[in-house]
Amino acid sequence: EIVLTQSPDTLSLSPGERVTLSCRASQDVGDDYLSWFQQKPGQPPRLLIYNALIRAAGIPDRFSGSGSGTDFTLTINRLEPEDFAMYYCHQHAYAPLTFGGGTKVDI
Amino acid sequence: QITLKESGPTLVKPTQTLTLTCTFSGFSLSTRSVGVTWIRQPPGKAPEWLALIYWDGAEHFSPSLRRRLTVTKDTSKNQVVLTMTNVDPMDTATYYCAHGRGWLSDPWGPGLLVTVSS
Repeated sequence: EIVLTQSPDTLSLSPGERVTLSCRASQDVGDDYLSWFQQKPGQPPRLLIYNALIRAAGIPDRFSGSGSGTDFTLTINRLEPEDFAMYYCHQHAYAPLTFGGGTKVDI
Repeated sequence: QITLKESGPTLVKPTQTLTLTCTFSGFSLSTRSVGVTWIRQPPGKAPEWLALIYWDGAEHFSPSLRRRLTVTKDTSKNQVVLTMTNVDPMDTATYYCAHGRGWLSDPWGPGLLVTVSS
């Protein structure tokens, strides 16, 4: 099973700041099978980024993804109030599919 | 527009069998490379992948839950059913179904909180 480790657990930031979230995989997942989800309380996770760097439909360009192999990054430029949420990375390269433990972006 | 919705009991007793239905629209489970995924999320924890059923009937399960899970599809009704046997309080979670583009889950249904308690 591929373990995804996200860091940090929590980030306390202010609107307008830039934030970088990290996701490290225990094995190579290539660059086609790593995605990022955003989740707000009481809502299902929403796909932000897939194939490590492609924004999903309707996702603002302040969200960007990078990385390949075992190290991946989600960057949010100029945090908006609606960006304060949980963020999960997810690999779908190998079964069982796995999720990281999440990073909470807090105001 | 793709939409999915989970339905089923919100409270089950330990050792019982849980049956959840995912009813979807906006896609067909007879289309190549399309699937439906089941994922759960215990309160305050990260999502956990459970199972995936593909357009061609192929099934994939979490190894840790394989013995307790069954997944079936009814293409004519646009439904997928997940069955979990011998539930335990540790199975308390919000259960989601999601449209699968290959192995990528997007979008997800709103989720159904299932509590296992006597």
